[in-house]
Amino acid sequence: DSGVTQTPKHLITATGQRVTLRCSPRSGDLSVYWYQQSLDQGLQFLIQYYNGEERAKGNILERFSAQQFPDLHSELNLSSLELGDSALYFCASSAEGISGNTIYFGEGSWLTVV
Amino acid sequence: GENVEQHPSTLSVQEGDSAVIKCTYSDSASNYFPWYKQELGKRPQLIIDIRSNVGEKKDQRIAVTLNKTAKHFSLHITETQPEDSAVYFCAAGATGTASKLTFGTGTRLQVML
Repeated sequence: DSGVTQTPKHLITATGQRVTLRCSPRSGDLSVYWYQQSLDQGLQFLIQYYNGEERAKGNILERFSAQQFPDLHSELNLSSLELGDSALYFCASSAEGISGNTIYFGEGSWLTVV
Repeated sequence: GENVEQHPSTLSVQEGDSAVIKCTYSDSASNYFPWYKQELGKRPQLIIDIRSNVGEKKDQRIAVTLNKTAKHFSLHITETQPEDSAVYFCAAGATGTASKLTFGTGTRLQVML
């Protein structure tokens, strides 16, 4: 157990719908990262938050948004869903940035868009 | 931004043999290089990491080497076992609170009995 909690574990939804994925980082970790992993693909960085503020942005679509709340949990919002958005979404956390601090991944949220 | 290339994409070895996975990176500012192991349907788990002030690091059967001049780093697994079968990802990133890891495309390692 990495200490990073993600919900829901599995989600099936229809095209055009909106979903919210939730992440609770490890206790004390200030940085939260979101990654997308499509079938047999690598880990695509979406976005990073540090202590409530957006710090780095990757290949995140405009239909997707995220935020980190004062209690440091984070949510990834995916809207106008398309079949190609089906993927495993990972949240990860670290104490600060990756300044030598290990990044720990949650178990992921499997999203299936039908 | 950072670009990480990883080779090979698949690797099959006999049990007991060694396995080597290689990665190159593009951003000279990167100074942290972790390796993650991901079993099917599971989360990536850190197995070893190296920082740019070190050329080599070893942990039992796993070792990582870093060549900053050439911008490449490698994972070495000796005496491979069936439980080593998984997808391995290298990553690179720079320190700082606005930092992120850029991952390689992964290597699927199959250890055959």
